[in-house]
Amino acid sequence: AQSVTQLGSHVSVSEGALVLLRCNYSSSVPPYLFWYVQYPNQGLQLLLKYTSAATLVKGINGFEAEFKKSETSFHLTKPSAHMSDAAEYFCAVSRKTSYDKVIFGPGTSLSVIP
Amino acid sequence: EAGVAQSPRYKIIEKRQSVAFWCNPISGHATLYWYQQILGQGPKLLIQFQNNGVVDDSQLPKDRFSAERLKGVDSTLKIQPAKLEDSAVYLCASSTLAGATRAQYFGPGTRLLVL
Repeated sequence: AQSVTQLGSHVSVSEGALVLLRCNYSSSVPPYLFWYVQYPNQGLQLLLKYTSAATLVKGINGFEAEFKKSETSFHLTKPSAHMSDAAEYFCAVSRKTSYDKVIFGPGTSLSVIP
Repeated sequence: EAGVAQSPRYKIIEKRQSVAFWCNPISGHATLYWYQQILGQGPKLLIQFQNNGVVDDSQLPKDRFSAERLKGVDSTLKIQPAKLEDSAVYLCASSTLAGATRAQYFGPGTRLLVL
């Protein structure tokens, strides 16, 4: 069975500092991996996805994530945090089969301190 | 392009009452998903439709939850009777084709409180 763990339910960074949100996955086969962002009272929005092409994936709003098979990790980073980045971030995993469902992690709440 | 629409945005009911949520996906999207998001947790898939057929409903509590997708477009999720533990945000999402590589587009959700 697939699963996702996100280390740290809440992360605080200063404006302009590096953002690092951690995600580790468990999957018996190479998976697809995703990061979604959820702003207050809104639905989820896809930030980026890994589908077995380049291991370094660039997404929207300056975010990127690196797939490391040996560490079963897919950490999300952004070089410089902006106030507008404050939101809930979800890592998700899915098998590479049609119709397969996406399993979401518990989420990490990011706060940006001015 | 209009996004995924959901209504109502908020609903408060008493336990044992029934409630229904409506979702209108992005035009042309064949796949529609209903998720339950309990406070502090990630979304959990309840049911997935491909056009008007059910692809996955393995985590749908079928004794109280039901869902349908009329003519492969709009969808309704119903809870009858509601329990306290059903308090959550119900998210609808759609995508162009089935398969995880297709991005899912989410609606704003319906926040349900069961008293």
